[in-house]
Amino acid sequence: AQSVTQPDIHITVSEGASLELRCNYSYGATPYLFWYVQSPGQGLQLLLKYFSGDTLVQGIKGFEAEFKRSQSSFNLRKPSVHWSDAAEYFCAVGGQVRAGGGTSYGKLTFGQGTILTVHP
Amino acid sequence: DGGITQSPKYLFRKEGQNVTLSCEQNLNHDAMYWYRQDPGQGLRLIYYSQIVNDFQKGDIAEGYSVSREKKESFPLTVTSAQKNPTAFYLCASSVTVNQPQHFGDGTRLSIL
Repeated sequence: AQSVTQPDIHITVSEGASLELRCNYSYGATPYLFWYVQSPGQGLQLLLKYFSGDTLVQGIKGFEAEFKRSQSSFNLRKPSVHWSDAAEYFCAVGGQVRAGGGTSYGKLTFGQGTILTVHP
Repeated sequence: DGGITQSPKYLFRKEGQNVTLSCEQNLNHDAMYWYRQDPGQGLRLIYYSQIVNDFQKGDIAEGYSVSREKKESFPLTVTSAQKNPTAFYLCASSVTVNQPQHFGDGTRLSIL
């Protein structure tokens, strides 16, 4: 079964500092990987995705993530954090769903989330 | 603007009562999903639908029911069999099952 682990429940950084949020996954084949961000009381917004190809993916709001198959990781990074980045971040892995005899990805498994606090 | 609309934003349920959460999308997406979010537990999949008139149970379907009679709509009913319904419920959709999911703003359900 697929699973996602976000080891850090809560991270605090100073504004302008660099950021790395960790994500480790367990999946039997090449995964589809996603990072989402959620502000309090809101839905989730997609930051970036990895399907295949270049293992370093760029997303919105200056975020990037690197897929490392050997480490089963997909860590999210940002070189300089802004106060508006304070939110909860979720890593997700795409699962395999049988559709009409074939297979396709679509069932997401989410990590437990990392809350980011930004100090001025 | 295209998007996903969930209503109501806040909902209160009495003991033994069924309630229905609305989810409408105008993105022309085939796939739709319902998640439950509890503090510290991430999102857990309740039901998903790959296409109209079809849906499958997710990881925590007990006490919930859905229908998918129209492409745009995927309502979720929280039945009286769901003993711990207090949570934040999120609806999502995607072009197909293998594409990124777009989320609504959620419905917070509480028990009176």
